[in-house]
Amino acid sequence: QVQLEESGGGVVQPGRSLRLSCTASGFTFSDYTMHWVRQAPGKGLEWVAVISYDGSDKQYADSVKGRFTISRDDSKNTLDLQISSLRGEDTAMYFCARDWGQVWFFDYWGQGTLVTVSS
Amino acid sequence: DIQMTQSPSTLSASVGDRVTITCRASQSISTWLAWYQRKPGKAPNLLIYKASSLESGVPSRFRGSGSGTEFTLTISSLQPDDFATYFCQQYNSFPLTFGGGTKVDIK
Repeated sequence: QVQLEESGGGVVQPGRSLRLSCTASGFTFSDYTMHWVRQAPGKGLEWVAVISYDGSDKQYADSVKGRFTISRDDSKNTLDLQISSLRGEDTAMYFCARDWGQVWFFDYWGQGTLVTVSS
Repeated sequence: DIQMTQSPSTLSASVGDRVTITCRASQSISTWLAWYQRKPGKAPNLLIYKASSLESGVPSRFRGSGSGTEFTLTISSLQPDDFATYFCQQYNSFPLTFGGGTKVDIK
């Protein structure tokens, strides 16, 4: 069955960097566009970034553009999110999600990894 | 950005009730709308896509409707497993945006 498992979250000081990973199993990872979505405490869901199935196309939310980098390693079935210059407003649960079929909605999600930005 | 407004934010209902949740888009999104269910500590679950298409494996008591700017998710007869938070998402254009969620709890 399809499984997505995020890792890499934790407590990080403002201004530092962090790399989140999502390990996929149960499907042919290289066939699918993948996304990151986050939810800050007490707030709604916010789409963060998307990478196409072949890695050729990436898009970002304006709130993270220039600080976040999405990437994938199809040999390891992993999706990454490199976060730099962390800010308090980046505190959130980060989810990876599989695109249904390059249509920009999500048929599978992970359970999330929590990033807390605090000094 | 397209703003998605869901109502109500909380809904109290009983098993067997018919439940309706509304999602409004700040501009037309045709039928590019998905609905999800989320339970505490679990990954969200896709229910409906393209406004009214039922995802495989989702019970038929879930029904989506609407187009343009107004959409509804209806649960025809609420079951114990349906107490959860529901949210909509537009995929008409980037950035993808979500409704604020509707928590369905036990009356």
